[in-house]
Order: sequence, then C-alpha cells, then structure tokens
Amino acid sequence: KNEVEQSPQNLTAQEGEFITINCSYSVGISALHWLQQHPGGGIVSLFMLSSGKKKHGRLIATINIQEKHSSLHITASHPRDSAVYICAVRVPMNYGGSQGNLIFGKGTKLSVKP
Amino acid sequence: EPEVTQTPSHQVTQMGQEVILRCVPISNHLYFYWYRQILGQKVEFLVSFYNNEISEKSEIFDDQFSVERPDGSNFTLKIRSTKLEDSAMYFCASTTYYNQPQHFGDGTRLSIL
Repeated sequence: KNEVEQSPQNLTAQEGEFITINCSYSVGISALHWLQQHPGGGIVSLFMLSSGKKKHGRLIATINIQEKHSSLHITASHPRDSAVYICAVRVPMNYGGSQGNLIFGKGTKLSVKP
Repeated sequence: EPEVTQTPSHQVTQMGQEVILRCVPISNHLYFYWYRQILGQKVEFLVSFYNNEISEKSEIFDDQFSVERPDGSNFTLKIRSTKLEDSAMYFCASTTYYNQPQHFGDGTRLSIL
C-alpha cells in the first residue's frame, strides 16, 4: 500500500521567505501531483511531474524518483500563497494502480504573514 | 478557462435520506472521479468512471453509493441512505486521459443531521 507523507504539517512564514514543502512516498509511482487547496475548500492542480523539475511563476516542483521524494518550493512568498498544499501520487497500473485515481497526503497548511 | 462545476455548494440532509451530488465535468474530458474529504482529514478516492462505467472503486464506495452519467454533461454521485459519517466535502474531478492532470470542482459540503 502506498503511503504519502508530507512535512511539515504546518508552516508559518514571513512574506518574502523561501518556502519548502516535502513529500515522500513508499512505492513506485507513475506521477506525482502538487495541489493547492484554498481556505474555502476548492482544489487547484499546480503541477504533475514524473521526473526532474517544473517551474511556474514563483513555484518550483522537483522529484527524485530513486529517493521517492518530491519538494515544492515557493520563492518570495506572499500572503496570498496561504493555503493547504497537497501532494498526491498516481500508482502505475502494473503496481495495482488504476485509471488515474490519486492517493493523497494529509497536506501542509501554509500561512504567510505580511 | 473551462471549469468543473459542482452543485450544490452545500447540502444539508437528514440521516437516512437520499442525496444526489451533481458535477458538470469539462466538456472534452473522458475520465471522471469522485473524492471525499472528511473535515480535518486527507482527501480519499471514491470512484473513477470511464466509457460509461465504473473503472475502479474504493472500499468506501459501498452499495449505498452509485454514480451515473445520465446525459453528455452531468456526472452524479448518489448516496441512497445517508449516515452521519457521510458528512464530508465531496470533490468531482475530470481529465482528458488518466495520466493527465485532473481538474477539480470546488466541492460540495455535505452535512448529515
């Protein structure tokens, strides 16, 4: 069974700080997703990656398949970045996975203070 | 940008009643999912749907749950006889192909009294 662990659980930062959120998982995956959950509950997909690194604006996601680890970085953090950031993985079909259903971590609650 | 829309945003229902949660996926998407999130807990997979049939369902998705795509646009989740523990946020998601990013709706908060 694939477990997805995130750290830290809660993170408070000052505006402008560099943020790192970590995700580790226990078995092979076909892809890893980083999602953002707004205070109202809605979920937005930030990145999907299976290797290397992706960048979008101030957000950078990296993954190390051998170490079964991914990080989400936020540069020059801003109060509007305050949200819960969720890591989710898709298990390959030959590892008992299926058509895209995701296994989620518990999320990291980020608060950025002005 | 196209969106997944869910209605209602909040549903309050008496225990034992039937409830239908509605979703309109993005129009060219082919794979559809329901997830739920109990307050304070992680998001959990319920069911995936492709080609007008269930592809996979989790242990949570028991006989009280059903899904349907009654026309070309709606995707519904029905809970036949609700229990207190069904109280949660329910998210619908869709994607063009199973290995592509999923687009989520804003969720329906279901409260069972």
